[in-house]
Amino acid sequence: QQQVKQSPQSLIVQKGGISIINCAYENTAFDYFPWYQQFPGKGPALLIAIRPDVSEKKEGRFTISFNKSAKQFSLHIMDSQPGDSATYFCAASSPGGSYIPTFGRGTSLIVHP
Amino acid sequence: SAVISQKPSRDICQRGTSLTIQCQVDSQVTMMFWYRQQPGQSLTLIATANQGSEATYESGFVIDKFPISRPNLTFSTLTVSNMSPEDSSIYLCSVGGGTGDYGYTFGSGTRLTVV
Repeated sequence: QQQVKQSPQSLIVQKGGISIINCAYENTAFDYFPWYQQFPGKGPALLIAIRPDVSEKKEGRFTISFNKSAKQFSLHIMDSQPGDSATYFCAASSPGGSYIPTFGRGTSLIVHP
Repeated sequence: SAVISQKPSRDICQRGTSLTIQCQVDSQVTMMFWYRQQPGQSLTLIATANQGSEATYESGFVIDKFPISRPNLTFSTLTVSNMSPEDSSIYLCSVGGGTGDYGYTFGSGTRLTVV
């Protein structure tokens, strides 16, 4: 059973556009929701994360929107750049699970110049 | 955040052989984690490695296939035993903490191809 569902599987955006990746979870014990960015040949790196006590968190061009009642959260990349081309994973974790992340399936983002 | 060195970065192995992957962390950590990332797929936790005790394996993974060593607080190895083409994946070492509130740090991975 996939605990964190991520969509779309792939996304193509023009430079300067907005990239949006969506995730949904089922386990209400999750209380930490990170996004990881992975470039080819590299391991995933933490990009931005949110706790459920806020509905939005912004860091530069990256914003997480969180809807606790719907058990959904999303990553918005504003003014997308070719350097943002990577695979993005949403994840969720809980204190009972030592905050070990459960990952979504990943979204391959391509930003065309 | 911790810096993880993982090697080899890639290898091509014959069916039926074994490969040991090494993970070195630049600071002492209580738990180290091993993940598998199959082509185009998500990251799946294989096991958690604690120093001084047996590794804890996730459902679907067994010690005979993926033996893990954790001799000290900065080092761990994962062995992929009796390999088959289905074991072709990226294997990643990870440690918790140090990035964000509860973010995890990953090594660059070992890309394994079994022929």
